[in-house]
This record gives sequence, C-alpha cells and structure tokens, in this order.
Amino acid sequence: AQSVSQHNHHVILSEAASLELGCNYSYGGTVNLFWYVQYPGQHLQLLLKYFSGDPLVKGIKGFEAEFIKSKFSFNLRKPSVQWSDTAEYFCAVMGFGTASKLTFGTGTRLQVTL
Amino acid sequence: GAGVSQSPSNKVTEKGKDVELRCDPISGHTALYWYRQSLGQGLEFLIYFQGNSAPDKSGLPSDRFSAERTGGSVSTLTIQRTQQEDSAVYLCASSSTGTGAYEQYFGPGTRLTVT
Repeated sequence: AQSVSQHNHHVILSEAASLELGCNYSYGGTVNLFWYVQYPGQHLQLLLKYFSGDPLVKGIKGFEAEFIKSKFSFNLRKPSVQWSDTAEYFCAVMGFGTASKLTFGTGTRLQVTL
Repeated sequence: GAGVSQSPSNKVTEKGKDVELRCDPISGHTALYWYRQSLGQGLEFLIYFQGNSAPDKSGLPSDRFSAERTGGSVSTLTIQRTQQEDSAVYLCASSSTGTGAYEQYFGPGTRLTVT
C-alpha cells in the first residue's frame, strides 16, 4: 500500500519569506509524485508533478519540488511567498501498479500575512 | 475547454435517505475517479473507471456506496441510507488515460451534509 505524510499541518509566513513544505511517501516501487493546491473557494489544481528524469521539477507560480529517492521525499519550495499563495497544499503519490489512483497527504494549510 | 463539472454543488439530506451525485468528465477523458474529502480523513480514493474495464472499487467504504459510468462518460455516485459520517465533499476527477502518470483534473466537488 502507498501512503503520504505531510509534516506541517498549518504554516504561517510573512510575505517574501521562503517556503518549504515537507512530504514523505511510502511505496515499494516506482512512483509518480504530485503537489496539488486548493485556493479558498476553488477546486484542486495541479501545481507540479514528477514522472521521471530531472528530480528538480518546476511548476506554476514559482513553485518547485525536489524528488529525493533515498529519502522518499518530495518537498515543495518557493523562495519568496506572496499573499496570494494562501491556500491548502496536498502532496500525492501514484505508485506504478496501483491503477493510477492518487493517495494524498492530509494537506498543509499555508497562511501568508502581509 | 470545459473542465470537470459536478452536480449538485451542495446537497443536504436526512439520515437514511439515498443521494445521487453526478460527474461530467472532460470530453475525451477515458479515466474517471471519485474521491472524498472530509475533516479528519483528508482526501480518500473511492472508485476508478477506465474505459470499458471493470471499475476499481477498492476505496468504497461500505456496500451503501456504488457508482456507475454510462457510455464511458457521465458518472453517478450513489449513497444509500446515508449516515452522518458520509458528510464530506465528494470530488470527481478525470484524466486522458488511466495508465501511466497523466494529470487528473478535478471538479469543484459536491458538498454533502447529512442531518
């Protein structure tokens, strides 16, 4: 079975601060990894994804994530957050052989203050 | 183009009643998924349809839950004899293929409240 752990449940940052949200997964085989974002009142949107190749992936709005296979991690980063980044962030894993279903972490609520 | 749509957006029902939730996937997408988002449980996979293959029902929490997909497009999730613990946001997603690692596009969800 696959599982995802997000260590930070609620993060509060000031604008321009740097962001790193932790994500660790558990799965014995090859994985595809995703970060989704849910802005207030909106539906889930894909932020970025890792399939293969360069373990440092860049997504929309200046976000990036690094896949570290040895650590089973896929942490999300942004050098300088904006107030508009206030949202809930979900890490998800799709293991090969799991019928393409996503297993999500419990989410991290990010609040950016002015 | 149009995204995934779901209806109704909100549904309030009495305990014991049956409810039907509808999902219209993105045109041409062969794979369709249902997830549930609830407080304390996060986002949970419920069921997955891929083309004409038998659906993967491994995430359905009980036999009160069922889903069908007609004509390879629209899907209906049915919850019979609703219970208060069924209160959640039910999300539908579709993707262009069920194999490999293609992006799943999510709909706005149906918020179900069981009173």
